[in-house]
Amino acid sequence: QSALTQPASVSGSPGQSITISCAGTSSDVGGYNYVSWYRQHPGKAPQLIIYGVSYRPSGVSNRFSASKSGNTASLTISGLHSEDEADYYCCSYTDNSTLVLFGGGTKLTVL
Amino acid sequence: EGELLESGGGLVQPGGSLRLSCTASQFIFSRFAMTWVRQAPGKGLEWVSGISGSGGSLYYADSVRGRFTVSRDNAENTLYLQMRSLRAEDTAIYYCAKVMSAFCGGDCYLESWGQGIQVTVSS
Repeated sequence: QSALTQPASVSGSPGQSITISCAGTSSDVGGYNYVSWYRQHPGKAPQLIIYGVSYRPSGVSNRFSASKSGNTASLTISGLHSEDEADYYCCSYTDNSTLVLFGGGTKLTVL
Repeated sequence: EGELLESGGGLVQPGGSLRLSCTASQFIFSRFAMTWVRQAPGKGLEWVSGISGSGGSLYYADSVRGRFTVSRDNAENTLYLQMRSLRAEDTAIYYCAKVMSAFCGGDCYLESWGQGIQVTVSS
């Protein structure tokens, strides 16, 4: 099964807001509220930043917010900091045999 | 959230086998499902396999089903991934990750991760 579709890259200046989209189908993103987002800094393990479409784990900044509309989920980062520069991955439950599907990843550059 | 440490990676020839281990600490291991996720060089994340807290439910990605076997020893706080019939496309960093709940169902959220272990399949 193909990965969820994310833009390869996005960029923004410090203090600005950016949004990363994650397009799926009715078999995954659109059919269930089981979307999560992960941040991965270069050479590091991923970190969970959003689960259940829009919930933040304890300790994750409230500058991170997320939502879903139809088959597309979105992650918004407000008040960009240089340390937000990283790769971001969406993830969803899928009702096919693979169970869990990641997006292809989006590289965020803070200009 | 706990700590996870992978081991057992390395270089293996195509068609060969390898067993990865992931030792967990600082949480009650048996209460949480666990998963394996891999990342090929310069590529994105790919979910590989999962196992419920009791070990009674197993989950596999289509790409590894029939070749990889996930298991756990709750007495030893250790997760395993037995990999057989390895291919060049299995070359990746393999991460073990703790799931937020006892099962890797719809809410298979990976709340903590190990540092990853390199697996290289090459002749």
